[in-house]
Amino acid sequence: ETGVTQTPRHLVMGMTNKKSLKCEQHLGHNAMYWYKQSAKKPLELMFVYSLEERVENNSVPSRFSPECPNSSHLFLHLHTLQPEDSALYLCASSQDRQSYEQYFGPGTRLTVT
Amino acid sequence: AQSVTQLGSHVSVSEGALVLLRCNYSSSVPPYLFWYVQYPNQGLQLLLKYTSAATLVKGINGFEAEFKKSETSFHLTKPSAHMRDAAEYFCAVSEGFQKLVFGTGTRLLVSP
Repeated sequence: ETGVTQTPRHLVMGMTNKKSLKCEQHLGHNAMYWYKQSAKKPLELMFVYSLEERVENNSVPSRFSPECPNSSHLFLHLHTLQPEDSALYLCASSQDRQSYEQYFGPGTRLTVT
Repeated sequence: AQSVTQLGSHVSVSEGALVLLRCNYSSSVPPYLFWYVQYPNQGLQLLLKYTSAATLVKGINGFEAEFKKSETSFHLTKPSAHMRDAAEYFCAVSEGFQKLVFGTGTRLLVSP
């Protein structure tokens, strides 16, 4: 099993749909992250969880709702998205809050129609 | 706030040629610096990191980078490019625990 897995790998959804992205890490890490990667823009940090507690929310619109039920799983619940939300959503994990080294999943390519 | 600038959104080299990808950073405190690589349809993979030890850092796949404080640079190099090196490369600087600030990326194209 690879270190950080994400499902689905591709998702197409309408603006009125509700969907969820899933991330799972098999590295025994305690911190997990959601990033948004849009074309020609730097990676944008969205949320940070440490020991299942949200420690950072980078002014992300409420149509994105994260959930971290345990240290191995991270979800991103999506509802009433906009076309500009189309992007690659990357999950990452690190050993703990003091670790600078993050391990990334392959991402979910989201298209909002 | 810390920031990273990557000069050149695309760099093209021939197989066997020197690879040089540029990264300049801005930081008010001693930085930790990173290079990540992203192959098509994959997530980011750590190539190497500078964490205030040796200024010349060696990473995976034959890449290395040199931290130059006077130039606020952390350029990535590889003596001889391979076709498999074609990917997008991201420079990042740490902004305290947990936060990584990324550059916009440089796509490396390798021709036969």
